[in-house]
Amino acid sequence: SAVISQKPSRDICQRGTSLTIQCQVDSQVTMMFWYRQQPGQSLTLIATANQGSEATYESGFVIDKFPISRPNLTFSTLTVSNMSPEDSSIYLCSVEGTSAGELFFGEGSRLTVL
Amino acid sequence: AQSVSQHNHHVILSEAASLELGCNYSYGGTVNLFWYVQYPGQHLQLLLKYFSGDPLVKGIKGFEAEFIKSKFSFNLRKPSVQWSDTAEYFCAVKNDYKLSFGAGTTVTVRA
Repeated sequence: SAVISQKPSRDICQRGTSLTIQCQVDSQVTMMFWYRQQPGQSLTLIATANQGSEATYESGFVIDKFPISRPNLTFSTLTVSNMSPEDSSIYLCSVEGTSAGELFFGEGSRLTVL
Repeated sequence: AQSVSQHNHHVILSEAASLELGCNYSYGGTVNLFWYVQYPGQHLQLLLKYFSGDPLVKGIKGFEAEFIKSKFSFNLRKPSVQWSDTAEYFCAVKNDYKLSFGAGTTVTVRA
């Protein structure tokens, strides 16, 4: 298993500002995934972050809005830029375990935009 | 695109009752199937998974799920629930690298 730590665990932000969420894993992993869980909805994949290359974004998500860094094999950041109330959500970092497809999740970062 | 449907949004039942949560997916190719659980205040955890072989898989805490390929289904079951099974349950399907989640089912078990 993998232990994933996210910071901040929650935050309240003003419209138009940006927030960077950090994800730290206790082991080296190739792929890190960023998900969003909007209120009352399921998890939606935002992007996949590989070390040393540009993140791969899913349909409906763009780099300008959600820039991602992946400086090494244990760390990644997701920035939510120019926030609006619609960005209020839980943002989750996850990594793949040794069994392909099994994901481990962090506790999430609950973001509220006023 | 892959879609995952969970039939029930909220299920309420009493302790010792049996539980079955439905899950259907749209992709017709080879898939890996998962059920995740999120207990109140905790992060998502893997309950069980199916990759191949016996279509009836057993997971933690007495849960099991049956893969029926012809029905594109992967329903979760537990013969006798406990109060501690109160949680949100997510079905997930993986094809290629992407894991797609259902909308989730909130299960409330009354003591």
